[in-house]
Amino acid sequence: EVQLLESGGGLVQPGGSLRLSCAASGFTFGSYAMTWVRQAPGKGLEWVSAISGSGGTTYNADSVKGRFTISRDESKNTVYLQMNSLRAEDTAIYYCARGLGRAAAGTGWVYWGQGTLVTVSS
Amino acid sequence: QTVVTQEPSFSVSPGGTVTLTCGLSSGSVSTSHYPTWYQQTPGQAPRTLIYSTNTRSSGVPDRFSGSILGNKAALTITGAQADDECDYYCVLYMGSGIYWVFGGGTKLTVL
Repeated sequence: EVQLLESGGGLVQPGGSLRLSCAASGFTFGSYAMTWVRQAPGKGLEWVSAISGSGGTTYNADSVKGRFTISRDESKNTVYLQMNSLRAEDTAIYYCARGLGRAAAGTGWVYWGQGTLVTVSS
Repeated sequence: QTVVTQEPSFSVSPGGTVTLTCGLSSGSVSTSHYPTWYQQTPGQAPRTLIYSTNTRSSGVPDRFSGSILGNKAALTITGAQADDECDYYCVLYMGSGIYWVFGGGTKLTVL
């Protein structure tokens, strides 16, 4: 059974940093692209970042480019989202999700975790 | 700026059929956008219903189907049930530079 468990959320001040983790199990981690999607309180879904199964290709939304970095550790079956220079508008539940194959381009994000809440406030 | 459009709200009678759509502010949706549909109830993570236009995710009943209708992606729900009342989101793959764009979601009411 595919399982994705996010952690690392919390309260952070504007301008601060946070690293989210997503621990994966139930599948061959390196064979699948992964992504982060967020949802601000009472709002819709917004794609944030994605990474190919090999880790060699990453993609970022314009809203987080230069501030957020996605990475993965095959030895720990974990994908990360390093978030720097956080702003109030980054406040959201952050979900990780798994793609259909190794390539991120064109994939659908099918399996989702339960999310972790990030609150940016002074 | 690329905008993915969805009906903000829709209503269907119990047992009825409803088709939700997912379009583009400019241009047509095709299978090359790999439309994916999600269902989300309050306080829960999204649940994948349909991916790659018309492939049902594991465990999703065949009451849910996906297609391209005209210039939009479509999610059709037949035999609507009370627990179908929730939010539905689509996402399209837009290619390099933009990547994945979600629609604003449709709030479905069953009454």
